[in-house]
Amino acid sequence: TAGITQAPTSQILAAGRSMTLRCTQDMRHNAMYWYRQDLGLGLRLIHYSNTAGTTGKGEVPDGYSVSRANTDDFPLTLASAVPSQTSVYFCASSPSGNNEQFFGPGTRLTVL
Amino acid sequence: GQNIDQPTEMTATEGAIVQINCTYQTSGFNGLFWYQQHAGEAPTFLSYNVLDGLEEKGRFSSFLSRSKGYSYLLLKELQMKDSASYLCAVRDGDYKLSFGAGTTVTVRA
Repeated sequence: TAGITQAPTSQILAAGRSMTLRCTQDMRHNAMYWYRQDLGLGLRLIHYSNTAGTTGKGEVPDGYSVSRANTDDFPLTLASAVPSQTSVYFCASSPSGNNEQFFGPGTRLTVL
Repeated sequence: GQNIDQPTEMTATEGAIVQINCTYQTSGFNGLFWYQQHAGEAPTFLSYNVLDGLEEKGRFSSFLSRSKGYSYLLLKELQMKDSASYLCAVRDGDYKLSFGAGTTVTVRA
């Protein structure tokens, strides 16, 4: 079982360009999450989805959008990247909001 | 919102015990989690407390006092592989997690 996968592993992106970070899970989890992790700040929630077809904003949603067309996939899009979006991005899933979250391996994004 | 505090760094000797404290102030509380994160890797779940008291799982134990807004993670019989960051996370009334900045534990021989 693959669990939860993310792509790409790392990316260097020019400021102003768009980018979609992919996240796929094969555990049939209802809830999925996107976090960014920055030194000294810990993990911060960007967007979440409690079930397919629904999404919600987290603590730092500005500059990011998500969609949840099906149970397995939860892509995160940066419409016009800025250097402050340089970070490590983690996708996570859980059977429901009432369970522990399982994290993907992360995507390291550098915006220049 | 959530305010979660934990020490930035701790150092301990192999075989010793280390206690990582976490204090929190929340708008709604639905449980406290501890995660372990090795450098360059994803966080992995360690423990969960929703009621006051101690939860023990092998060499790791976690304690919660809801009235004090306080938790600790106890690591016993430290091994070199325990060198990692330990993340305290609080689940709010909407079932979203807020994380502390993490405590980096270094185990020395």
